[in-house]
Amino acid sequence: GESVGLHLPTLSVQEGDNSIINCAYSNSASDYFIWYKQESGKGPQFIIDIRSNMDKRQGQRVTVLLNKTVKHLSLQIAATQPGDSAVYFCAENPRGSNYKLTFGKGTLLTVNP
Amino acid sequence: DTEVTQTPKHLVMGMTNKKSLKCEQHMGHRAMYWYKQKAKKPPELMFVYSYEKLSINESVPSRFSPECPNSSLLNLHLHALQPEDSALYLCASSLQPQGADTEAFFGQGTRLTVV
Repeated sequence: GESVGLHLPTLSVQEGDNSIINCAYSNSASDYFIWYKQESGKGPQFIIDIRSNMDKRQGQRVTVLLNKTVKHLSLQIAATQPGDSAVYFCAENPRGSNYKLTFGKGTLLTVNP
Repeated sequence: DTEVTQTPKHLVMGMTNKKSLKCEQHMGHRAMYWYKQKAKKPPELMFVYSYEKLSINESVPSRFSPECPNSSLLNLHLHALQPEDSALYLCASSLQPQGADTEAFFGQGTRLTVV
């Protein structure tokens, strides 16, 4: 069935390095994507979003890339900091879905000092 | 105010108890949601309220009963739960309810333990 998944369940990086978290989706009707960060014991926190008419969007230290041809989404975090350690979820909102956000499995990012 | 506030933060209840989870937002959002999240899993949608009316029920058992008293409040009434219902219950809200390009803001969740 349709799903949103992640290639890597865990990612460990050194402080100061760049991090790349990947996400694959299979629902071609999805037209809006969101990355959330969830720290231990907290609710998901919005990081950045992208619409299907865009290939790239940049925020503060974060960039999301969307490749609709291969149905792939990535989150790049520049100069990763210990405070970036968390689980990162991609989520998709298929067109006309009445806002049924579907979350991917999540990637645990650990930043080593 | 860009917060979704959930109370209580932690709740332990017996299988015969009745309890309620509460959620509040003052951002003028017209869609509110309940999600359930088990450990090391992504959030799973339970209910969607759109303009204070229940628009989506993801086949949730009737021991979970949502209520939206007004546009700022969302409750989840719990009765006769099972230990497997123990999870983090997340409330979220968004400006627009229908497939729109608008992100959902999440509360910190209620950590529920059923004993």
